[in-house]
Amino acid sequence: AQSVTQPDIHITVSEGASLELRCNYSYGATPYLFWYVQSPGQGLQLLLKYFSGDTLVQGIKGFEAEFKRSQSSFNLRKPSVHWSDAAEYFCAVDTLHNDYKLSFGAGTTVTVRA
Amino acid sequence: NAGVMQNPRHLVRRRGQEARLRCSPMKGHSHVYWYRQLPEEGLKFMVYLQKENIIDESGMPKERFSAEFPKEGPSILRIQQVVRGDSAAYFCASSLSGSGNEQYFGPGTRLTVT
Repeated sequence: AQSVTQPDIHITVSEGASLELRCNYSYGATPYLFWYVQSPGQGLQLLLKYFSGDTLVQGIKGFEAEFKRSQSSFNLRKPSVHWSDAAEYFCAVDTLHNDYKLSFGAGTTVTVRA
Repeated sequence: NAGVMQNPRHLVRRRGQEARLRCSPMKGHSHVYWYRQLPEEGLKFMVYLQKENIIDESGMPKERFSAEFPKEGPSILRIQQVVRGDSAAYFCASSLSGSGNEQYFGPGTRLTVT
């Protein structure tokens, strides 16, 4: 069965340090890939998405993600985190390429310490 | 422009009662999606609706669950005769048109069945 795995349930990072969130998917073909962020009390906001082409994708808020076909991964990175980046992050895939039926990972909660 | 609104934000129901979850899409959006997040799991697609039409309900449980998006008013996700296993966060998203458009998510409704 298709699945999306976010191995880290919770990550704590110091303000100004770099951040990398892992995402692996299990699917025969390359799906469409997404990263969403959810701040407390808010809805999910799309950070970036990958459909095809350049495997390094730039998103909003200084985030980027790299698609690695050989590792079935789509890891999210930010060079220098800000306190406002504390949130829950969800990786999602669209395996049918119809762009509405998204499958999500369980999420990674990021805590930023001063 | 207000985002996607969901109410109530928290809902407590006893086993056997009915739960009604409401979703008001962003202004101008006519496509609505419902997702469910069970504890410790990612969001799972439930149903995709346009005004007065169910487009894809492949993720909906076969019994007790129904959804509608009337010509006027919010989209409603209805769960009859709730059971403890229905306890989850229910997220609604909307988009301007169908596939290929970004989904904007609401903050979710957390349903607890006692």
